[in-house]
Amino acid sequence: SAVISQKPSRDICQRGTSLTIQCQVDSQVTMMFWYRQQPGQSLTLIATANQGSEATYESGFVIDKFPISRPNLTFSTLTVSNMSPEDSSIYLCSVRPGTGSFKPYEQYFGPGTRLTVT
Amino acid sequence: GENVEQHPSTLSVQEGDSAVIKCTYSDSASNYFPWYKQELGKGPQLIIDIRSNVGEKKDQRIAVTLNKTAKHFSLHITETQPEDSAVYFCAASIVVAGGTSYGKLTFGQGTILTVHP
Repeated sequence: SAVISQKPSRDICQRGTSLTIQCQVDSQVTMMFWYRQQPGQSLTLIATANQGSEATYESGFVIDKFPISRPNLTFSTLTVSNMSPEDSSIYLCSVRPGTGSFKPYEQYFGPGTRLTVT
Repeated sequence: GENVEQHPSTLSVQEGDSAVIKCTYSDSASNYFPWYKQELGKGPQLIIDIRSNVGEKKDQRIAVTLNKTAKHFSLHITETQPEDSAVYFCAASIVVAGGTSYGKLTFGQGTILTVHP
């Protein structure tokens, strides 16, 4: 399985500011995703991060609010822009190794970034 | 789109008892069903998965069963231990034969499992 790290692990931010979360994988992966998990809730997909092109966003999520970059096959960033208290959540990076892996369809998650907006 | 329902939302058992968590899905095309365990303060960890070409899969104390006709699948944990206490999520997606294409995971709502010593 892939080893995924996220930075920062947690942060407390003021409303109106922005935070960029980094996701680093120890091997090249085909697919990278960003999820949000609100307190006590399930996982909601924000977007699929595409290498070298714009991310694919799910309904209810827009690029202006959650810009995503993916410059290569091992790294991605998610920015939470113009934050409000409603953005307080855990943000999770997730990967699928993809073609060339023994089980290309398996999906793994990073440790998460715990964001509190005051 | 796919919809996954998970029950129960909370489950409390005594150490050594068995625990069963059930999920139903709506899209008959779904053919890949993973289970995740999320401990407090950590990201979800893939613990077992099953594809629709098999009806049951075991890995030590955990097993997953799948009933394609009824569109439901279940996680079974035997001889539970306090370290099994966590939130468990089921999920469903579509994997094209050969694993060359796959749909996004749709998650259930989660089950909080508490194992009392």
